[in-house]
Amino acid sequence: AQSVTQLDSQVPVFEEAPVELRCNYSSSVSVYLFWYVQYPNQGLQLLLKYLSGSTLVKGINGFEAEFNKSQTSFHLRKPSVHISDTAEYFCAGLNQAGTALIFGKGTTLSVSS
Amino acid sequence: NAGVTQTPKFQVLKTGQSMTLQCAQDMNHNSMYWYRQDPGMGLRLIYYSASEGTTDKGEVPNGYNVSRLNKREFSLRLESAAPSQTSVYFCASSELIEQFFGPGTRLTVL
Repeated sequence: AQSVTQLDSQVPVFEEAPVELRCNYSSSVSVYLFWYVQYPNQGLQLLLKYLSGSTLVKGINGFEAEFNKSQTSFHLRKPSVHISDTAEYFCAGLNQAGTALIFGKGTTLSVSS
Repeated sequence: NAGVTQTPKFQVLKTGQSMTLQCAQDMNHNSMYWYRQDPGMGLRLIYYSASEGTTDKGEVPNGYNVSRLNKREFSLRLESAAPSQTSVYFCASSELIEQFFGPGTRLTVL
């Protein structure tokens, strides 16, 4: 089955601490991978994407992700988080048919002072 | 550019009522999608349209119908709403791979 798994449903961190949000995809998902962020009561905004090339992908707001084909992972990282990073983060992969995104269930990042 | 717009933003229905959620995009994209978002479930695809005149079922199509009115517009219809359809509905569009999302419609079915 095609699936994207976000390993943590909630991640609480303190401001200025580093954070990693983990995502694994099944081998039947394509290697077109995305991270989206959703702030409260808003739509989804693209943080970054991996389509090909360098396995380290840089996105907006200081986030980056590393594509690891052998471990079928696409973890999201930020070296120092801010209160404003509090949001829900979704990992997604394009299905093999190329017709739609398969989403993980989301990780709620809560940043406190 | 407005991107992807959705109407209405909020809606409350009674069980058995019908309604249509509207979506429009101004990016000249060929593909459009409808997702629903439920707590702890992520986003699940309801229907998609790869091009004007075509529609296909996604993961959770039961209880929904769609119409790709033209290249810009893709509507989602609930013929007889049920409480299980209480959700946040997102429309998206894409040309190649990246999808662009609308702001969502929050629907409550009582």
